[in-house]
Amino acid sequence: DGGITQSPKYLFRKEGQNVTLSCEQNLNHDAMYWYRQDPGQGLRLIYYSQIVNDFQKGDIAEGYSVSREKKESFPLTVTSAQKNPTAFYLCASMDGSGANVLTFGAGSRLTVL
Amino acid sequence: RKEVEQDPGPFNVPEGATVAFNCTYSNSASQSFFWYRQDCRKEPKLLMSVYSSGNEDGRFTAQLNRASQYISLLIRDSKLSDSATYLCVVRPSGTYKYIFGTGTRLKVLA
Repeated sequence: DGGITQSPKYLFRKEGQNVTLSCEQNLNHDAMYWYRQDPGQGLRLIYYSQIVNDFQKGDIAEGYSVSREKKESFPLTVTSAQKNPTAFYLCASMDGSGANVLTFGAGSRLTVL
Repeated sequence: RKEVEQDPGPFNVPEGATVAFNCTYSNSASQSFFWYRQDCRKEPKLLMSVYSSGNEDGRFTAQLNRASQYISLLIRDSKLSDSATYLCVVRPSGTYKYIFGTGTRLKVLA
């Protein structure tokens, strides 16, 4: 089945550590996205990528980094510079064929201890 | 002013009721509109895209009013399983960015 796989589902990190969240899609979508969701809040855009080897900052990119070396993969690194990293992280991809619908992975829940 | 605004609710309605949500957006150049459903601690899932002419999918009807810059979602004959948070999503033209409202929480009561 086609879809988006995020891992790990749950992650605990000590303060000062970097952590990388994986996002893999087999939908053949060109565009991929990372969002952050805090309790009771909407989704906020961290980074997005329209094509391989290209990405743009979203509204809250500080303290995060991404890469897009393959079409299928868009990993997100949460660095120690991110002041409040505890959140629910959602990866999405977009078909771009006309419907322009975002499809989400199941999310990664990061807790900083 | 937020780019996309929704009443956070919660809307508490009995089973079988009809309920409507509105969402306003500030960018008049917005091109694509969607309603997503999000269950607690889960990822958002597409409920329906919203077209200029309005569209219906079973018990769900979505409308777009470009002049007043709002979209609406109507749910008829509410089911217990409709309890969720409904997210309004807008994509301005000329951009790959999708802007999410904070969501409207619906509770359908037995």
